Amino acid sequence: SQKIEQNSEALNIQEGKTATLTCNYTNYSPAYLQWYRQDPGRGPVFLLLIRENEKEKRKERLKVTFDTTLKQSLFHITASQPADSATYLCALDRGSTLGRLYFGRGTQLTVWP
Amino acid sequence: NAGVTQTPKFQVLKTGQSMTLQCAQDMNHEYMSWYRQDPGMGLRLIHYSVGAGITDQGEVPNGYNVSRSTTEDFPLRLLSAAPSQTSVYFCASSPLRRDTGELFFGEGSRLTVL
Repeated sequence: SQKIEQNSEALNIQEGKTATLTCNYTNYSPAYLQWYRQDPGRGPVFLLLIRENEKEKRKERLKVTFDTTLKQSLFHITASQPADSATYLCALDRGSTLGRLYFGRGTQLTVWP
Repeated sequence: NAGVTQTPKFQVLKTGQSMTLQCAQDMNHEYMSWYRQDPGMGLRLIHYSVGAGITDQGEVPNGYNVSRSTTEDFPLRLLSAAPSQTSVYFCASSPLRRDTGELFFGEGSRLTVL
């Protein structure tokens, strides 16, 4: 079965720095990989999707890279703010079954002033 | 649009009781799914549906039943609750398209089985 590992359970950084979160996977190669944000007591919210033939995707202060050779995705938040504090989840699929996503356990990011 | 609506938000059951978690979406999404989220673990897929009348099992289907009689609703049934089913349950929906695939989640239903 697909295994997804996010680099650490918690990441603490200072405001203004760049946060980098890692998502590694094994076994199957996904057709695309997604990143979600989850705040305490809330449901996950979609942030970005990157396809297997894309190297990089950007959205405002967010950047995602996808290296299918390393089987890794990096998620960057530049100029981080305390409001970016949340748990970030990566999710991937195999492409063969639409909508069936496997999720990592998440990385809890804390941005301190 | 309300998006994905889950009820109830909180529920306490005794072992052996049955209940249904409700999920409704108003975005005309073909795909709907149920996940459970436990401390230290990622979201795990319980059951999913790609359209009315079609359901399939996910990673952890045992102890749960689903049906999809309409596009809008996808209830999750616990026939005989067990303490191991204490969890936070999320319903999610998506338009069934390969070029997007993003999931829209509800706010969750927190279930405690005593």
